[in-house]
Amino acid sequence: EAGVTQFPSHSVIEKGQTVTLRCDPISGHDNLYWYRRVMGKEIKFLLHFVKESKQDESGMPNNRFLAERTGGTYSTLKVQPAELEDSGVYFCASSHLGRGTRDEQFFGPGTRLTVL
Amino acid sequence: EDQVTQSPEALRLQEGESSSLNCSYTVSGLRGLFWYRQDPGKGPEFLFTLYSAGEEKEKERLKATLTKKESFLHITAPKPEDSATYLCAVQDTGRRALTFGSGTRLQVQP
Repeated sequence: EAGVTQFPSHSVIEKGQTVTLRCDPISGHDNLYWYRRVMGKEIKFLLHFVKESKQDESGMPNNRFLAERTGGTYSTLKVQPAELEDSGVYFCASSHLGRGTRDEQFFGPGTRLTVL
Repeated sequence: EDQVTQSPEALRLQEGESSSLNCSYTVSGLRGLFWYRQDPGKGPEFLFTLYSAGEEKEKERLKATLTKKESFLHITAPKPEDSATYLCAVQDTGRRALTFGSGTRLQVQP
């Protein structure tokens, strides 16, 4: 079974440019999460999808970040325009969760974003 | 607000020297406590989930335990390949987001 995949693995952009990160969850996983780690800090939650619906956006830092999950499969996270403080590693995770079952989140390898 | 504190920040062991990593947490209601292993340049790798105080889980040389305030990850007779950063995270009953600690960097020397 393929794990969570993310593309690209690295991205280097100039301040003010736009970047789009992609995440493909484990097949059949309805839950998809975005997290990020900025330099020297712990991993922080950004948002949670259940299928194509945003369940929890409480971690999104500001309106420069836009996440979508069309069709309930892969997800994209767009940063527009990028700022220096957006640099970090962006992780995607997915889980299969039905009502009453337990939630084990499996992470992808991450996308390292550098904003110059 | 949920909080997770891991100690020590870094730990160096000799091969075969057993030890424990600590994860102290504050959460309004615990849905689950998660342990992950992370190697440099990779994503967190799922190890265990613990759901209630008194629960224990084992995997090879690792054993995780849980109380109402903290969790321990016991490493028995570690090998160099156990070297990694070990992350602890909690999930509140009110949401699915994980709150992570800053991790313990473990180095096992041959």
